[in-house]
Amino acid sequence: GAVVSQHPSRVICKSGTSVKIECRSLDFQATTMFWYRQFPKKSLMLMATSNEGSKATYEQGVEKDKFLINHASLTLSTLTVTSAHPEDSSFYICSARVFKGSNTEAFFGQGTRLTVV
Amino acid sequence: GIQVEQSPPDLILQEGANSTLRCNFSDSVNNLQWFHQNPWGQLINLFYIPSGTKQNGRLSATTVATERYSLLYISSSQTTDSGVYFCAGSGGGADGLTFGKGTHLIIQP
Repeated sequence: GAVVSQHPSRVICKSGTSVKIECRSLDFQATTMFWYRQFPKKSLMLMATSNEGSKATYEQGVEKDKFLINHASLTLSTLTVTSAHPEDSSFYICSARVFKGSNTEAFFGQGTRLTVV
Repeated sequence: GIQVEQSPPDLILQEGANSTLRCNFSDSVNNLQWFHQNPWGQLINLFYIPSGTKQNGRLSATTVATERYSLLYISSSQTTDSGVYFCAGSGGGADGLTFGKGTHLIIQP
């Protein structure tokens, strides 16, 4: 299967600072990547769709100024949590997809556990 | 967007037992997948199964696309099978995956 690498796996930051999370497709190119958020013991919720060379598309209720997404190359998307607050503490996970005919299969990074203190 | 219902939400079994996990979708989905989330949060791809039946060792999955449901079978359960199992699919014009709430499986020795 395809490999998606996410970094860092764990980060602790102070309230008010910004944190950048990287998502890389290691053995394939991804024009589109996806960012999800997962609260403890809950399901994954799609936050935004990252498009290479254009603006990200955010899901309803997700603040685009809080969660900045940049997809500058075909193998790298970044999520920056700006002015982080304790309520931003969560598990963030990215995915990229591989085309299978007219459909696609998603592969996920290892996830990033963000703790804001 | 589509709604995804998973059942059961929790399942406790003895080692060696078989289990069936179910996923119902509110509308037609593309790219239906089953995942196992390990204790560190990593999502492990189990099956990409928009239709039909697939088997991989003790695991198999069946999707009946016309009836909008999918089943994951685990046979001869082992303690290492414990964890959360998610199904997910995309549909309704959306590219990203919509996940079910998961089934929390505990296999006791």
